[in-house]
Amino acid sequence: ETGVTQSPTHLIKTRGQQVTLRCSSQSGHNTVSWYQQALGQGPQFIFQYYREEENGRGNFPPRFSGLQFPNYSSELNVNALELDDSALYLCASSQGLAGDRQETQYFGPGTRLLVL
Amino acid sequence: DQQVKQNSPSLSVQEGRISILNCDYTNSMFDYFLWYKKYPAEGPTFLISISSIKDKNEDGRFTVFLNKSAKHLSLHIVPSQPGDSAVYFCAASEYNFNKFYFGSGTKLNVKP
Repeated sequence: ETGVTQSPTHLIKTRGQQVTLRCSSQSGHNTVSWYQQALGQGPQFIFQYYREEENGRGNFPPRFSGLQFPNYSSELNVNALELDDSALYLCASSQGLAGDRQETQYFGPGTRLLVL
Repeated sequence: DQQVKQNSPSLSVQEGRISILNCDYTNSMFDYFLWYKKYPAEGPTFLISISSIKDKNEDGRFTVFLNKSAKHLSLHIVPSQPGDSAVYFCAASEYNFNKFYFGSGTKLNVKP
């Protein structure tokens, strides 16, 4: 059973550029959530995808968008990068939605994005 | 508007003693709470959870206590071990379960 993987591990972009981050969910998981973790803070929920549909969104502007593919892998796209977008981006996979209180999210190691 | 708060950025404990990490929340709709542990260069790892219908959940050396009236939860680690040194995040979600709110983390250092 493979865990959650993310690529790339590190990325440097300049302000105004666009970036795509990728996530492969854990085997058997159909739900992917994306988080932004700024330095010294906890992860902040960006959005979640369940079976290729967006299923909840946090307080992030529309230039943050995502996709989930039939194999449940996912992409996070950020357009018109700003300096404040510099952060660790984490994806987490889980199986199903609410219901089973024992289920939780399994996180990948993250992609560290630096916007100059 | 931070709905989950961890007011202690760091905690230092001697090996073998108890570590107590605290977390406060403001949203009374939260009904599921989790603790995660994070090592450098790794993603957070699930540690233990508790539903709002309980006030205590135990798993080995780790116990989470929930005080709903005070909107407070705590994680007890006993005995603490050097390998427990990490950043600990508490998180909470509402019934629909598709959004987790995280605190800012507490860095635990367990000294040998």
